[in-house]
Amino acid sequence: NAGVTQTPKFRVLKTGQSMTLLCAQDMNHEYMYWYRQDPGMGLRLIHYSVGEGTTAKGEVPDGYNVSRLKKQNFLLGLESAAPSQTSVYFCASSGTGSNQPQHFGDGTRLSIL
Amino acid sequence: AQSVTQLGSHVSVSEGALVLLRCNYSSSVPPYLFWYVQYPNQGLQLLLKYTTGATLVKGINGFEAEFKKSETSFHLTKPSAHMSDAAEYFCAVSSPLFTGGGNKLTFGTGTQLKVEL
Repeated sequence: NAGVTQTPKFRVLKTGQSMTLLCAQDMNHEYMYWYRQDPGMGLRLIHYSVGEGTTAKGEVPDGYNVSRLKKQNFLLGLESAAPSQTSVYFCASSGTGSNQPQHFGDGTRLSIL
Repeated sequence: AQSVTQLGSHVSVSEGALVLLRCNYSSSVPPYLFWYVQYPNQGLQLLLKYTTGATLVKGINGFEAEFKKSETSFHLTKPSAHMSDAAEYFCAVSSPLFTGGGNKLTFGTGTQLKVEL
Protein backbone atom coordinates (compact mmCIF):
# COMPACT_ATOMS: atom_id res chain seq x y z
CA ASN A 1 0.00 0.00 0.00
CA ALA A 2 2.01 2.96 -1.24
CA GLY A 3 -0.84 5.50 -0.98
CA VAL A 4 0.66 8.96 -1.58
CA THR A 5 4.39 9.11 -2.32
CA GLN A 6 6.41 12.33 -2.35
CA THR A 7 9.89 12.80 -3.77
CA PRO A 8 12.35 14.02 -2.72
CA LYS A 9 12.07 13.83 1.08
CA PHE A 10 14.66 16.53 1.73
CA ARG A 11 16.20 19.26 -0.37
CA VAL A 12 18.37 22.30 0.14
CA LEU A 13 18.31 25.02 -2.49
CA LYS A 14 20.00 28.34 -2.99
CA THR A 15 17.93 31.47 -3.54
CA GLY A 16 16.94 31.76 -7.17
CA GLN A 17 17.26 28.08 -8.01
CA SER A 18 14.34 26.11 -9.36
CA MET A 19 13.04 22.68 -8.53
CA THR A 20 10.06 20.38 -8.90
CA LEU A 21 8.43 18.29 -6.21
CA LEU A 22 6.71 15.13 -7.35
CA CYS A 23 3.61 13.57 -5.86
CA ALA A 24 2.23 10.20 -6.95
CA GLN A 25 -0.90 8.42 -5.72
CA ASP A 26 -2.08 4.90 -6.46
CA MET A 27 -5.66 5.18 -5.15
CA ASN A 28 -7.20 6.40 -8.42
CA HIS A 29 -8.26 9.63 -6.71
CA GLU A 30 -9.59 12.48 -8.81
CA TYR A 31 -8.54 15.26 -6.46
CA MET A 32 -5.00 16.18 -5.47
CA TYR A 33 -3.62 18.99 -3.33
CA TRP A 34 -0.39 20.70 -2.35
CA TYR A 35 -0.03 22.24 1.12
CA ARG A 36 2.75 23.93 3.00
CA GLN A 37 3.17 23.56 6.74
CA ASP A 38 4.85 26.23 8.81
CA PRO A 39 5.16 26.33 12.62
CA GLY A 40 2.05 27.67 14.33
CA MET A 41 0.17 28.09 11.07
CA GLY A 42 -1.27 24.67 10.39
CA LEU A 43 -1.48 23.62 6.76
CA ARG A 44 -2.19 26.11 4.01
CA LEU A 45 -3.39 25.11 0.56
CA ILE A 46 -1.09 26.16 -2.30
CA HIS A 47 -2.76 24.65 -5.39
CA TYR A 48 -5.14 21.83 -6.07
CA SER A 49 -6.47 19.78 -8.97
CA VAL A 50 -9.90 18.26 -9.51
CA GLY A 51 -8.83 16.07 -12.39
CA GLU A 52 -6.23 15.30 -15.02
CA GLY A 53 -5.29 18.45 -16.89
CA THR A 54 -6.92 20.84 -14.41
CA THR A 55 -5.39 22.97 -11.67
CA ALA A 56 -6.58 25.80 -9.45
CA LYS A 57 -5.13 28.26 -6.96
CA GLY A 58 -5.45 27.74 -3.26
CA GLU A 59 -4.80 30.06 -0.35
CA VAL A 60 -1.09 30.81 -0.93
CA PRO A 61 -0.29 30.21 -4.65
CA ASP A 62 2.27 32.97 -5.30
CA GLY A 63 5.71 31.72 -6.33
CA TYR A 64 4.49 28.23 -7.18
CA ASN A 65 3.22 26.47 -10.29
CA VAL A 66 1.64 23.06 -10.69
CA SER A 67 0.81 20.54 -13.37
CA ARG A 68 -1.41 17.45 -13.52
CA LEU A 69 -0.55 15.76 -16.81
CA LYS A 70 -1.45 12.31 -15.50
CA LYS A 71 -4.20 11.44 -13.06
CA GLN A 72 -1.81 9.81 -10.61
CA ASN A 73 0.80 12.58 -10.57
CA PHE A 74 0.75 16.15 -9.30
CA LEU A 75 3.87 18.28 -9.66
CA LEU A 76 4.73 21.41 -7.68
CA GLY A 77 7.31 23.76 -9.14
CA LEU A 78 9.32 26.61 -7.68
CA GLU A 79 10.68 28.70 -10.55
CA SER A 80 12.89 30.99 -8.46
CA ALA A 81 13.18 29.83 -4.87
CA ALA A 82 13.06 32.38 -2.05
CA PRO A 83 13.92 31.93 1.66
CA SER A 84 10.23 32.51 2.49
CA GLN A 85 9.50 29.23 0.74
CA THR A 86 11.44 27.26 3.31
CA SER A 87 8.80 24.91 4.62
CA VAL A 88 7.52 21.37 4.74
CA TYR A 89 5.40 20.55 1.71
CA PHE A 90 2.65 17.96 1.78
CA CYS A 91 0.75 16.41 -1.05
CA ALA A 92 -2.68 14.87 -0.52
CA SER A 93 -5.33 13.16 -2.59
CA SER A 94 -9.00 12.39 -2.10
CA GLY A 95 -12.03 10.95 -3.76
CA THR A 96 -14.78 13.21 -5.05
CA GLY A 97 -17.11 14.92 -2.58
CA SER A 98 -16.54 17.22 0.37
CA ASN A 99 -17.10 14.35 2.82
CA GLN A 100 -14.11 12.40 1.56
CA PRO A 101 -10.98 12.49 3.74
CA GLN A 102 -7.67 13.50 2.27
CA HIS A 103 -4.75 11.07 2.28
CA PHE A 104 -1.34 12.62 2.85
CA GLY A 105 2.20 11.84 1.83
CA ASP A 106 5.10 12.01 4.29
CA GLY A 107 6.22 15.45 3.15
CA THR A 108 9.20 17.16 1.57
CA ARG A 109 11.38 19.26 3.81
CA LEU A 110 12.71 22.14 1.74
CA SER A 111 15.28 24.70 2.88
CA ILE A 112 16.13 27.76 0.82
CA LEU A 113 19.42 29.43 1.71
CA ALA B 1 -15.87 31.60 5.03
CA GLN B 2 -15.15 28.73 7.33
CA SER B 3 -12.56 28.65 10.09
CA VAL B 4 -11.25 26.37 12.82
CA THR B 5 -9.93 27.29 16.25
CA GLN B 6 -7.95 24.84 18.34
CA LEU B 7 -7.64 26.03 21.92
CA GLY B 8 -4.25 25.29 23.37
CA SER B 9 -1.24 24.85 21.13
CA HIS B 10 0.31 22.52 23.71
CA VAL B 11 -1.46 20.06 26.01
CA SER B 12 0.28 17.86 28.55
CA VAL B 13 -1.32 14.87 30.28
CA SER B 14 -0.13 11.99 32.43
CA GLU B 15 -0.17 8.49 31.05
CA GLY B 16 -3.54 6.95 31.80
CA ALA B 17 -5.29 10.32 32.14
CA LEU B 18 -8.10 11.66 29.99
CA VAL B 19 -7.12 13.39 26.78
CA LEU B 20 -9.26 16.36 25.69
CA LEU B 21 -8.29 18.42 22.66
CA ARG B 22 -10.60 21.27 21.79
CA CYS B 23 -11.83 22.32 18.38
CA ASN B 24 -14.38 24.98 17.52
CA TYR B 25 -15.44 25.76 14.00
CA SER B 26 -17.18 28.54 12.18
CA SER B 27 -19.31 27.72 9.17
CA SER B 28 -22.47 29.11 7.65
CA VAL B 29 -23.78 25.61 7.04
CA PRO B 30 -23.36 22.31 8.89
CA PRO B 31 -19.82 21.26 8.05
CA TYR B 32 -17.92 18.06 7.54
CA LEU B 33 -15.31 17.76 10.32
CA PHE B 34 -12.08 15.81 10.56
CA TRP B 35 -9.34 15.11 13.08
CA TYR B 36 -5.87 14.21 11.86
CA VAL B 37 -2.76 13.14 13.77
CA GLN B 38 0.81 13.86 12.75
CA TYR B 39 3.74 11.96 14.23
CA PRO B 40 7.24 13.47 13.94
CA ASN B 41 8.57 13.57 10.39
CA GLN B 42 5.43 12.00 8.99
CA GLY B 43 2.38 13.12 7.08
CA LEU B 44 -1.12 13.56 8.48
CA GLN B 45 -3.16 10.47 9.24
CA LEU B 46 -6.94 10.51 9.53
CA LEU B 47 -8.17 9.78 13.07
CA LEU B 48 -11.90 10.18 12.50
CA LYS B 49 -14.49 12.19 10.62
CA TYR B 50 -18.02 13.47 11.03
CA THR B 51 -20.16 13.90 7.95
CA THR B 52 -23.76 13.08 8.82
CA GLY B 53 -25.67 10.83 11.20
CA ALA B 54 -24.49 9.93 14.70
CA THR B 55 -22.83 12.88 16.39
CA LEU B 56 -20.47 10.73 18.47
CA VAL B 57 -17.79 9.45 16.15
CA LYS B 58 -15.26 6.76 17.01
CA GLY B 59 -11.87 6.68 15.36
CA ILE B 60 -8.64 4.78 15.44
CA ASN B 61 -6.41 4.26 18.50
CA GLY B 62 -9.31 4.69 20.96
CA PHE B 63 -10.08 8.30 20.08
CA GLU B 64 -13.57 9.69 19.66
CA ALA B 65 -15.16 13.07 19.04
CA GLU B 66 -18.60 14.53 19.44
CA PHE B 67 -20.17 17.01 17.05
CA LYS B 68 -22.15 19.61 18.98
CA LYS B 69 -23.93 21.94 16.63
CA SER B 70 -25.20 24.27 19.38
CA GLU B 71 -21.64 24.80 20.62
CA THR B 72 -20.01 24.67 17.15
CA SER B 73 -17.52 22.23 18.63
CA PHE B 74 -15.87 18.95 17.70
CA HIS B 75 -13.63 18.11 20.65
CA LEU B 76 -11.39 15.05 20.54
CA THR B 77 -11.17 12.74 23.55
CA LYS B 78 -9.52 9.54 24.68
CA PRO B 79 -10.26 8.02 28.09
CA SER B 80 -6.72 6.92 28.88
CA ALA B 81 -3.58 8.43 27.33
CA HIS B 82 -0.71 6.29 26.20
CA MET B 83 2.85 7.34 25.56
CA SER B 84 2.36 6.50 21.88
CA ASP B 85 -0.34 9.20 21.64
CA ALA B 86 2.27 11.96 21.80
CA ALA B 87 1.92 13.77 18.50
CA GLU B 88 0.40 16.86 16.92
CA TYR B 89 -3.33 16.85 16.28
CA PHE B 90 -5.17 18.90 13.68
CA CYS B 91 -8.85 19.64 13.41
CA ALA B 92 -10.16 20.48 9.93
CA VAL B 93 -13.46 21.55 8.42
CA SER B 94 -14.85 21.13 4.92
CA SER B 95 -17.95 22.80 3.63
CA PRO B 96 -20.45 20.52 1.89
CA LEU B 97 -21.63 23.39 -0.25
CA PHE B 98 -18.35 23.88 -2.03
CA THR B 99 -19.31 23.55 -5.68
CA GLY B 100 -16.04 24.28 -7.39
CA GLY B 101 -14.89 20.73 -7.07
CA GLY B 102 -12.47 19.26 -4.63
CA ASN B 103 -12.58 19.02 -0.91
CA LYS B 104 -11.05 22.23 0.37
CA LEU B 105 -10.15 21.66 3.99
CA THR B 106 -9.49 24.48 6.42
CA PHE B 107 -7.13 23.38 9.17
CA GLY B 108 -6.66 24.58 12.70
CA THR B 109 -3.16 25.51 13.83
CA GLY B 110 -2.68 22.23 15.66
CA THR B 111 -2.30 21.01 19.24
CA GLN B 112 0.88 19.30 20.36
CA LEU B 113 0.04 16.54 22.85
CA LYS B 114 2.68 15.53 25.36
CA VAL B 115 2.19 12.41 27.49
CA GLU B 116 4.20 12.16 30.68
CA LEU B 117 4.93 9.19 32.89
